[in-house]
Amino acid sequence: SQQGEEDPQALSIQEGENATMNCSYKTSINNLQWYRQNSGRGLVHLILIRSNEREKHSGRLRVTLDTSKKSSSLLITASRAADTASYFCATERGSYIPTFGRGTSLIVHP
Amino acid sequence: NAGVTQTPKFQVLKTGQSMTLQCAQDMNHEYMSWYRQDPGMGLRLIHYSVGAGITDQGEVPNGYNVSRSTTEDFPLRLLSAAPSQTSVYFCASSPFPGVGYEQYFGPGTRLTVT
Repeated sequence: SQQGEEDPQALSIQEGENATMNCSYKTSINNLQWYRQNSGRGLVHLILIRSNEREKHSGRLRVTLDTSKKSSSLLITASRAADTASYFCATERGSYIPTFGRGTSLIVHP
Repeated sequence: NAGVTQTPKFQVLKTGQSMTLQCAQDMNHEYMSWYRQDPGMGLRLIHYSVGAGITDQGEVPNGYNVSRSTTEDFPLRLLSAAPSQTSVYFCASSPFPGVGYEQYFGPGTRLTVT
């Protein structure tokens, strides 16, 4: 079973709007990553956040981590059509094995 | 660097046939893994390796074998293909095990078993 689960499963917005997706997990973690997958392609790493960090930024991406709630969020500001993709969080299952959720499918309409 | 390469890109098998999906990386990464991706199921870990000569089972290992004779290569063998193995297969590598390290994914192999 997945350690991390993304929410919502699907998100449809207009270009220029912000997109927020969430990841909840069950057991304590040391690290959490977010990945993007364009249709028909492999996953691409976006950002890593460690358990002692609360927020990280990378360009138009903002990731937060709330270890008390066992959740993380990925915010994409000023979305573009090129941001259309599926987004996955990866957390640790057991001692170190990365485990992915089912992903959030984001569609950004031009 | 080529990164992580996978061959073939597409494959159609008949039930009962065997085949090997190839995966190679040129980044000298210790950790390599295989995932399958099915609609609505996300990525599920099949097998992984923390170094040459060391492999272990993931979440869904049945029907698959792996070996890691070199740091660079991590082939996935389907012993007797079944329709339930129709999926997209991704190989990934990272410098070391753990979510503290970025994973690099290959482009995937789309497998259909009829």
